[in-house]
Amino acid sequence: EAQVTQNPRYLITVTGKKLTVTCSQNMNHEYMSWYRQDPGLGLRQIYYSMNVEVTDKGDVPEGYKVSRKEKRNFPLILESPSPNQTSLYFCASRGRGADGYTFGSGTRLTVV
Amino acid sequence: GEDVEQSLFLSVREGDSSVINCTYTDSSSTYLYWYKQEPGAGLQLLTYIFSNMDMKQDQRLTVLLNKKDKHLSLRIADTQTGDSAIYFCASDEGNFNKFYFGSGTKLNVKP
Repeated sequence: EAQVTQNPRYLITVTGKKLTVTCSQNMNHEYMSWYRQDPGLGLRQIYYSMNVEVTDKGDVPEGYKVSRKEKRNFPLILESPSPNQTSLYFCASRGRGADGYTFGSGTRLTVV
Repeated sequence: GEDVEQSLFLSVREGDSSVINCTYTDSSSTYLYWYKQEPGAGLQLLTYIFSNMDMKQDQRLTVLLNKKDKHLSLRIADTQTGDSAIYFCASDEGNFNKFYFGSGTKLNVKP
């Protein structure tokens, strides 16, 4: 089944404790992206990647890092999480066709 | 970046038609999209329209695009309780990387 898999689904952590949210896709897509969803703000893009070793900042990159060492994986790294990073995070991937991004099921992160 | 705007709430009765509206600012959009988000789930692509089309129909869904006014709408015919969800419009701003989403319209379908 074609899908984007994120882990974990839920995470509660403390301020300053480094964490990684994993994302993997099995569709051989070139493009991958991370979004955060906050009430009333819709989805905002954090980082995106156009292919292996090619990444760039989205609209809200502060406090986040990403890497793309393999085509299928695109982890999101929070080196020193803060409470304002409490949010619902989505990973997504797409190919070169018209049908847009395929989304993972989301990771609900709470930073206390 | 692009601004994509939607109204926040819409309430309809089961069996009626729903119309969800969206406006965007960037005329370089190649495709415009509608996504559906059910509670606790990710976003599911419903349909999309190429920017040089005016209308696209897909079963109960009709997408209308007015490029001059930068206005996009999604009509759901014979709305069912299972259609209750948040609906997002999105614009690709003419490239594969950048997607701009509206804030989402929460559709409530009353039995």
